[in-house]
Amino acid sequence: SAVISQKPSRDICQRGTSLTIQCQVDSQVTMMFWYRQQPGQSLTLIATANQGSEATYESGFVIDKFPISRPNLTFSTLTVSNMSPEDSSIYLCSVESGLGYGYTFGSGTRLTVV
Amino acid sequence: DAKTTQPPSMDCAEGRAANLPCNHSTISGNEYVYWYRQIHSQGPQYIIHGLKNNETNEMASLIITEDRKSSTLILPHATLRDTAVYYCIVRVARAGNNRKLIWGLGTSLAVNP
Repeated sequence: SAVISQKPSRDICQRGTSLTIQCQVDSQVTMMFWYRQQPGQSLTLIATANQGSEATYESGFVIDKFPISRPNLTFSTLTVSNMSPEDSSIYLCSVESGLGYGYTFGSGTRLTVV
Repeated sequence: DAKTTQPPSMDCAEGRAANLPCNHSTISGNEYVYWYRQIHSQGPQYIIHGLKNNETNEMASLIITEDRKSSTLILPHATLRDTAVYYCIVRVARAGNNRKLIWGLGTSLAVNP
């Protein structure tokens, strides 16, 4: 199955600033997924990123707040813009791992906004 | 828009089988059931998935009822390292081959010595 490297693993940020999270995969993948996990909650899909096209955002998430880049088949970034304390969450990227392996997840970025 | 319901917590004795139930009564015919687990502060780990038939791999077995309205994840010999939150998930198909995992709230499994 695919191996994902996600950076940073954690950060503490001031409100009003932005943070860019990077996700590097060790193999080429068509779709990459970005999730948010709020404290004590389950995972919620933010958007799906295909290489060469604009990301598709889920209801409740907008590009201005969570811009995504997907420059090639092994890399993607998610930016959390103009942060507020409500953005404090774990952000995870994920890819389809191929037949029989489900979806692989990165180790997550634990974001605290103060 | 969760499509699964799970008990919030369960206990299991080390060495015994852990049977984790999940209800997904509104599942559609082409929607898969996935199971993941998440150990504190780590990313979710894939366990198993299935559509209609029972499935088994080196980690677990997945038993899906004939009407597909519920399933059970079985960890045959639970160890302390199996203590985690277990998520039962439905993968829905959408237009343009764009699939989405819909996560439930999970079951916090505690394996006790």
